[in-house]
Amino acid sequence: KAGVTQTPRYLIKTRGQQVTLSCSPISGHRSVSWYQQTPGQGLQFLFEYFSETQRNKGNFPGRFSGRQFSNSRSEMNVSTLELGDSALYLCASSLAPGTTGANVLTFGAGSRLTVL
Amino acid sequence: DQQVKQNSPSLSVQEGRISILNCDYTNSMFDYFLWYKKYPAEGPTFLISISSIKDKNEDGRFTVFLNKSAKHLSLHIVPSQPGDSAVYFCAASLYSGAGSYQLTFGKGTKLSVIP
Repeated sequence: KAGVTQTPRYLIKTRGQQVTLSCSPISGHRSVSWYQQTPGQGLQFLFEYFSETQRNKGNFPGRFSGRQFSNSRSEMNVSTLELGDSALYLCASSLAPGTTGANVLTFGAGSRLTVL
Repeated sequence: DQQVKQNSPSLSVQEGRISILNCDYTNSMFDYFLWYKKYPAEGPTFLISISSIKDKNEDGRFTVFLNKSAKHLSLHIVPSQPGDSAVYFCAASLYSGAGSYQLTFGKGTKLSVIP
């Protein structure tokens, strides 16, 4: 079956712009989580969605937001981009909460954002 | 406050020998631990996991050991192969309510297996 699909894979923006990243989970996975990976900080949790509701949120400013659609696809948005937002943004999907194995995430290849 | 620590940014091992990757955690509420492997330009892929009620889990060449009293886990790869060269992330799972789990990751250890 198809893996987690993230688009776009690479993008370049300038400071002050906004960006929207898209994620399609594995078929049958209904939870989607987003992580930011930077060289010095590893993978940092952004947020988790299930059933179109944000269930958990990491320690990121309000410029970072997301949503989930009824087909479980998810988007995240970063507004007023800063240089420090340059990172690899990873989406991961998992089974519905409460399901055995729900704590095992399957990651996409990521969206590499460069802010100039 | 870094709750999951991988203190070795890099590790080099000869092909055929054992690779040992270490991970320490601070939160005693973590109840499940996972290891992920990441190649460049790809997302992390799940490798092996262990429940907090166990102290060892084995899957082929990969074994994870958990020492709860020391809040320490390790991943052993025997024998190491050049294709194992990647960044390895340790992750710890914490129940966050309503059936949800949140994973906290370490910063990763880059393993290089030398032919």
